[in-house]
Amino acid sequence: EVQLVESGGGLVQPGRSLRLSCTASGFNFGDYAMGWFRQAPGKGLEWIGFIRSRSYGETTEYAASVKGRFTISKDDSKSIAFLQMNSLKTEDTAVYYCTRDPRGYNFGCPYFDYWGQGTLVTVSS
Amino acid sequence: EIVMTQSPGTLSVSPGEGATLSCRASQSIRSNLAWYQQKPGQAPRLVIYGASTRATGIPARFSGSGSGTEFTLTISSLQPEDFAVYYCQQNNNWPLTFGGGTKVEIK
Repeated sequence: EVQLVESGGGLVQPGRSLRLSCTASGFNFGDYAMGWFRQAPGKGLEWIGFIRSRSYGETTEYAASVKGRFTISKDDSKSIAFLQMNSLKTEDTAVYYCTRDPRGYNFGCPYFDYWGQGTLVTVSS
Repeated sequence: EIVMTQSPGTLSVSPGEGATLSCRASQSIRSNLAWYQQKPGQAPRLVIYGASTRATGIPARFSGSGSGTEFTLTISSLQPEDFAVYYCQQNNNWPLTFGGGTKVEIK
C-alpha cells in the first residue's frame, strides 16, 4: 500500500525556517517524481514545487510564490522527500501536502495519484 | 500562467441525482486535465486524469470529458460519499494551476 506521511510542521515566526519531511512507503521511491502542495485555511489548492526522479537529474520546478525561498530535495536511500522553507511569511500558513507523480517519465507536466495527510505550518509572531 | 475557472461554485444536488461540474482553461491545455475530490479534513483524491481516464478505484459513475479549454466532470448518480469539493488541475504548462473548486452539497 502506497503511503506518504508528512512531518515537521508547526508554529514558526516570520522570517524563520522550517523543514518538512515526507516519508514514503509501498513503492520504489527512487523511480518517482514528487510534488508539494499547500492549502491555506479555508482556501483552495496551490502547487508549490516538484522534483523529478534521479533518472531525470532530480531537477526541480517551483511556483513563483516560493521560488528562491523554498527548496525541494529527496533522499532515495531513506525514501524521504524534503521541503526546506526559508524566509517564511505569514501568507505561507497552510496545510502542506506531499504527493506522487505516477507517470514514471519526464515528458510533459504531472498530475498526482497519492497524497499525504498533510502537515500544518503556521507562520505567526 | 494558465487560469482555471470552475463553475458553479456550489452545486446542491439530491442523492441519486446527477451532477455536472465545469472547468475552463484560459488557453488550450489539450487533454492535460485532472480532477480531484476533497472531503473536509482529508487530503485530495485523484478522480480523473487525462481529462477522461478514471483513476484507480474510482467508480464508473464518475466520468470526465472535454479538451482544449472546456472540461466537464459528470457524476451520474450521487452517492452520500460523493458530496465533497472538486478541483480541476491543468498539467499542460508550468506552473501547475487549479480551479477554485466546486462544492457539491446535499440538497
